Amino acid sequence: EVQLVQSGAEVKKPGESLKISCKGSGYSFTSYWIGWVRQMPGKGLEWMGIIYPGDSDTRYSPSFQGQVTISADKSISTAYLQWSSLKASDTAMYYCVRKVTPYYGSGSYSNYFDYWGQGTLVTVSS
Amino acid sequence: QSVLTQPPSVSAAPGQKVTISCSGSSSNIGNNYVSWYQQLPGTAPKLLIYDNNKRPSGIPDRFSGSKSGTSATLGITGLQTGDEADYYCGTWDSSLSAGGVFGGGTKLTVL
Repeated sequence: EVQLVQSGAEVKKPGESLKISCKGSGYSFTSYWIGWVRQMPGKGLEWMGIIYPGDSDTRYSPSFQGQVTISADKSISTAYLQWSSLKASDTAMYYCVRKVTPYYGSGSYSNYFDYWGQGTLVTVSS
Repeated sequence: QSVLTQPPSVSAAPGQKVTISCSGSSSNIGNNYVSWYQQLPGTAPKLLIYDNNKRPSGIPDRFSGSKSGTSATLGITGLQTGDEADYYCGTWDSSLSAGGVFGGGTKLTVL
């Protein structure tokens, strides 16, 4: 059974650093991209970025470039999302997702997120 | 401001049908497959539709998807109170290096 299990809720102060995790199991962790999605309180889903654990190829959405760091340790099938200096506006639920990219030939391929972690709530408050 | 545009809310009575639209552009919906996600209150989103109109195992055929040009539509028939949730469309945007984009979400109320 495929599972993405995220680390627990965090309460931090502005300026502190944080690293949250997402452990994959039940599939070949190095063969699928893992992405991160932010959901601020009462708001919609925002795409943050993605990493391919097989070679650590990482890409960021423009809104999050320079604001967070995405990494992975394939030896323990775990992806990470990290902040060096949290702000109150980082308060949100963060989900990791597994991206599937089936290829249908003639340059046509799909992208969708078939498994989601349970979410990690990050609260930043003084 | 989301890249994909969805109505903020829709509503219908139990047993009725509802559709949720998702509008984009040629760089995203126009040249990529669309997926839909259901987020029940207090839970993580779940894949509902992928590749415009395919349902993962376990998703009832009351849920359907379609795409035309730069727009996509999610349809739900035989509405049940348990369908009350937020629904998000998603796709890839070829102009972005990270690629993923979502709609702003639509709150479905089953009256």
